[in-house]
Amino acid sequence: GEDVEQSLFLSVREGDSSVINCTYTDSSSTYLYWYKQEPGAGLQLLTYIFSNMDMKQDQRLTVLLNKKDKHLSLRIADTQTGDSAIYFCAENNRNFNKFYFGSGTKLNVKP
Amino acid sequence: DAGVIQSPRHEVTEMGQEVTLRCKPISGHDYLFWYRQTMMRGLELLIYFNNNVPIDDSGMPEDRFSAKMPNASFSTLKIQPSEPRDSAVYFCASSLKGIGTQPQHFGDGTRLSIL
Repeated sequence: GEDVEQSLFLSVREGDSSVINCTYTDSSSTYLYWYKQEPGAGLQLLTYIFSNMDMKQDQRLTVLLNKKDKHLSLRIADTQTGDSAIYFCAENNRNFNKFYFGSGTKLNVKP
Repeated sequence: DAGVIQSPRHEVTEMGQEVTLRCKPISGHDYLFWYRQTMMRGLELLIYFNNNVPIDDSGMPEDRFSAKMPNASFSTLKIQPSEPRDSAVYFCASSLKGIGTQPQHFGDGTRLSIL
């Protein structure tokens, strides 16, 4: 079955850039997503990228996709303490409304 | 706009009791998903519906778990009898019918504790 992997933890200082990485196995993925989960809340969609794109930028967020290596990354510029959360990558497969989520990366931003 | 609404937010009950979790999807969304989140297993898809019909329930852990969607605006996830290992956060999500660009919108979850 599909497999989505992420590192579990990332710690950065306020003002630095954060890069959260994700690898996936399903070559038929059409869209890949980044979600953010704050404590006690559900998952909130941050951004997504179509599989024929290499990069997508949205304000402080930059998504890079290497389809050959099945590698997805999320870069957060000028990381703030409010960015502390768990970040999930997700991909869809041929059943396009069924998502596969990674285990989540807990981002800790130190002041 | 109202998002996905789940109730209750917290539930604490003794093992053996029946537990019913409720979800109201976003109006107009065709798909509804139930997930379970634990530290050990992360986020697991339990079941999803399309137009009120269960499409894939392969993630439902046991016969003690059942889900229904009697209409487009309401779904329940029931555990009977409940066990301590069912303790988790249960999320409901909904999405529009579409090809990939339709993200899933999540509720705030129900934190379930079985004593």
